[in-house]
Amino acid sequence: EVELVESGGGLVQPGGSLRLSCAASGFTFNIYSMNWVRQAPGKGLEWVSYITGSSSTIYYADSVKGRFTISRDNAKNSLYLQMNSLRDEDTAVYYCARGVQWGFDHWGQGNLVTVSS
Amino acid sequence: QSALTQPASVSGSPGQSITISCTGTSSDVGSYNYVSWYQHQPGKAPKLLIYEVTNRPSGVSNRFSGSKSGNTASLTISGLQAEDEADYYCTSYRSSNILVFGGGTKLTVL
Repeated sequence: EVELVESGGGLVQPGGSLRLSCAASGFTFNIYSMNWVRQAPGKGLEWVSYITGSSSTIYYADSVKGRFTISRDNAKNSLYLQMNSLRDEDTAVYYCARGVQWGFDHWGQGNLVTVSS
Repeated sequence: QSALTQPASVSGSPGQSITISCTGTSSDVGSYNYVSWYQHQPGKAPKLLIYEVTNRPSGVSNRFSGSKSGNTASLTISGLQAEDEADYYCTSYRSSNILVFGGGTKLTVL
């Protein structure tokens, strides 16, 4: 059974940094692209970042480009999101999601990141 | 990155059919067959319902179907059930921005 478990969220001050992790199990991690998707309070879903299985191709939403870095460690079946220069508007539940044909076929339960002073 | 356009809300009675539209542009929905639909219920992870416009993952009820015409994709739910009450989102591949979501549609089962 595919399982994705996010961790690393919490409260951080504006301008601060945080690193999210996503532990994957139940599938061959290194052959799948992975994504981060977020949902701000009371708002809709927003795609954040994408990485191929080999890490050869990476994309970011304009809203996080230059501040967030996606990476993965296939030996550890783990996906990461390094978030720097955090802003109030980055407050959201962050989901990791497995990629399929430019969609997302399995999602984690989400991890809350709160940016506030 | 402007979102795809979805109606804010739709409603229907049990047993009825409803359709949710997702309007994009020639840079996304109109040019690529990479439209997906998701069901998101409070406190749960989003669930993939449809991918590549019309394909249903195994385990998803055949009451859910997808289609596309021009720049607009649609999700139809037939035989509406109380358990279908949720938020529904579309996504599309977009050449410049890679992936974009619709704003979401709240489905109320009357």
